[in-house]
Amino acid sequence: EVQLVESGGGLVQPGRSLKLSCAASGFTFSDYNMAWVRQAPKKGLEWVATIIYDGSRTYYRDSVKGRFTISRDNAKSTLYLQMDSLRSEDTATYYCATVSTEGMGYWGQGVMVTVSS
Amino acid sequence: DIQMTQSPASLSASLGETVTIECLASEDIYSNLAWYQQKPGKSPQLLIYYANSLNDGVPSRFSGSGSGTQYSLKINSLQSEDVSIYFCQQNYDSPPTFGGGTKLELK
Repeated sequence: EVQLVESGGGLVQPGRSLKLSCAASGFTFSDYNMAWVRQAPKKGLEWVATIIYDGSRTYYRDSVKGRFTISRDNAKSTLYLQMDSLRSEDTATYYCATVSTEGMGYWGQGVMVTVSS
Repeated sequence: DIQMTQSPASLSASLGETVTIECLASEDIYSNLAWYQQKPGKSPQLLIYYANSLNDGVPSRFSGSGSGTQYSLKINSLQSEDVSIYFCQQNYDSPPTFGGGTKLELK
């Protein structure tokens, strides 16, 4: 059974940092591109970043470029999102998801990040 | 970025009814269109990919169609478990972008 389990969320002050993790199991993690997608409270889905299966390339939405870093450890089947200089508008539930040409096939349960003083 | 416009934003329908949700892309996305279902309090799940291909395990009452810039999701014989928010997403060009969502409720 495919499982993606996010962790590392919480309440953080503006300007501070947080690192999310996504532990994968039930599939060959190193075969898949991976993404982070977020959803602000009562809002729609917003793509945040994607990393290629071997970690060779990364892509970010403009509003997080230079502040967020997506990475992966294929030996540990784990995806990460380092979030620096957090802003109130980054408050959201963050999901990790597998990415293919078909779309985002598997999603985690999500982890809440609240940026507030 | 490619803009995805979904309509309606909300929809109320009766059990057994057929409903249709529309998604309009700001440019041709060549059927690189996915539909997701997000049940209350849950994460999104892939329903349809390449505009009309049903994902594994998705009931056959769901179907997708469309081409170019116009796409639709159809649910036949609405069931209570279909109460959800539905999102379209284009993965033709980067960044991948989502529609605003359609909240489906029972009448």
